[in-house]
Amino acid sequence: DVKVTQSSRYLVKRTGEKVFLECVQDMDHENMFWYRQDPGLGLRLIYFSYDVKMKEKGDIPEGYSVSREKKERFSLILESASTNQTSMYLCASTGGRTEAFFGQGTRLTVV
Amino acid sequence: AQKITQTQPGMFVQEKEAVTLDCTYDTSDPSYGLFWYKQPSSGEMIFLIYQGSYDQQNATEGRYSLNFQKARKSANLVISASQLGDSAMYFCAMREFRFNDYKLSFGAGTTVTVRA
Repeated sequence: DVKVTQSSRYLVKRTGEKVFLECVQDMDHENMFWYRQDPGLGLRLIYFSYDVKMKEKGDIPEGYSVSREKKERFSLILESASTNQTSMYLCASTGGRTEAFFGQGTRLTVV
Repeated sequence: AQKITQTQPGMFVQEKEAVTLDCTYDTSDPSYGLFWYKQPSSGEMIFLIYQGSYDQQNATEGRYSLNFQKARKSANLVISASQLGDSAMYFCAMREFRFNDYKLSFGAGTTVTVRA
């Protein structure tokens, strides 16, 4: 069974903290994505990666960075968390032109 | 610019009836794929159906079918014989394949509530 696993389901962090969201896939997919989901806005792409050490900005990269040191792992980093980054974060992976597989999501609250 | 537009924030449907969820898209790429996902209250994203821009026939998967009208740039999802378990949020998404673009763009979603 294909698997995309996010390290935390729920996370509460303080303003100004550095936050790491981890995502691991076991399908040997080249492409990995980070989205945030907010009511009424759907899923918005933050960053994506099409290979190890390669990354591309999505539609809303400000305040975020990413790391992909190994093919199976894609990390999202909030350098200095702010309250407007409170959201649901979804990781996804895909190989070629197939559908994307998603993790279970991380609900991040920044207080 | 918005690439995927879903104009229906929420819909109610009676059990056993069919429901159509609207999706229009914007692209100049001749090669693209359209996807529909279901997100129940548990939060997981479940892939439902795929339509490629060069596919001659409309895609179908069980009770799901995609009404693909290329000239109008619309890709509406039809759910037939609605069940209570169909209550969820539904997202339309698109990937443009030109230059190996891997981005997957989503619409704002439509919440479907099935009534008994």
